[in-house]
Amino acid sequence: KQEVTQIPAALSVPEGENLVLNCSFTDSAIYNLQWFRQDPGKGLTSLLLIQSSQREQTSGRLNASLDKSSGRSTLYIAASQPGDSATYLCAVKDFNKFYFGSGTKLNVKP
Amino acid sequence: GAGVSQSPSNKVTEKGKDVELRCDPISGHTALYWYRQRLGQGLEFLIYFQGNSAPDKSGLPSDRFSAERTGESVSTLTIQRTQQEDSAVYLCASSLGATTGVGYTFGSGTRLTVV
Repeated sequence: KQEVTQIPAALSVPEGENLVLNCSFTDSAIYNLQWFRQDPGKGLTSLLLIQSSQREQTSGRLNASLDKSSGRSTLYIAASQPGDSATYLCAVKDFNKFYFGSGTKLNVKP
Repeated sequence: GAGVSQSPSNKVTEKGKDVELRCDPISGHTALYWYRQRLGQGLEFLIYFQGNSAPDKSGLPSDRFSAERTGESVSTLTIQRTQQEDSAVYLCASSLGATTGVGYTFGSGTRLTVV
């Protein structure tokens, strides 16, 4: 069974720092990998999707990389802002379902 | 509708009672998923519907859990004889298709508390 691990579990940084969130998975036979953001009391918002044939995706200040062979992905957030404070979830997809990590809770202090 | 709608948003129930949770997907989305998120943990897959195909029930934790969906419309997740370990946020997501990662939209969830 696919196992997804995210480290760190929590992270607190001052505004303006660049930071890296890590995700690892045990089965490299994935369809794609997706990073989501979850705000308290709300559903998940998709941030970046990387297909299994791709190495990275970028959207604004976010960059996600994928190394399928080693079972790792990183989410890089540049110039962090207080509005980035949320829980970030990594999910890998087999044919028809996602397997989620437990998330990294990010707090960006003004 | 514009998004995935779930109801109720919060539900408190007594141990042993049955509960029904509802998910109204985005119109035209053929794939519908239920996930469970316990406090401080990741999302657990429960069940997946794709059009009129037989659902993938492989994530349902026990026979107390069941879900229905008629065609590409509303889905209900039913938990019978609720237990305290069922307390969690139940999230529903829908998508245009199952084989693509784009277009997955999650609802805000139903927070279930069993007392």
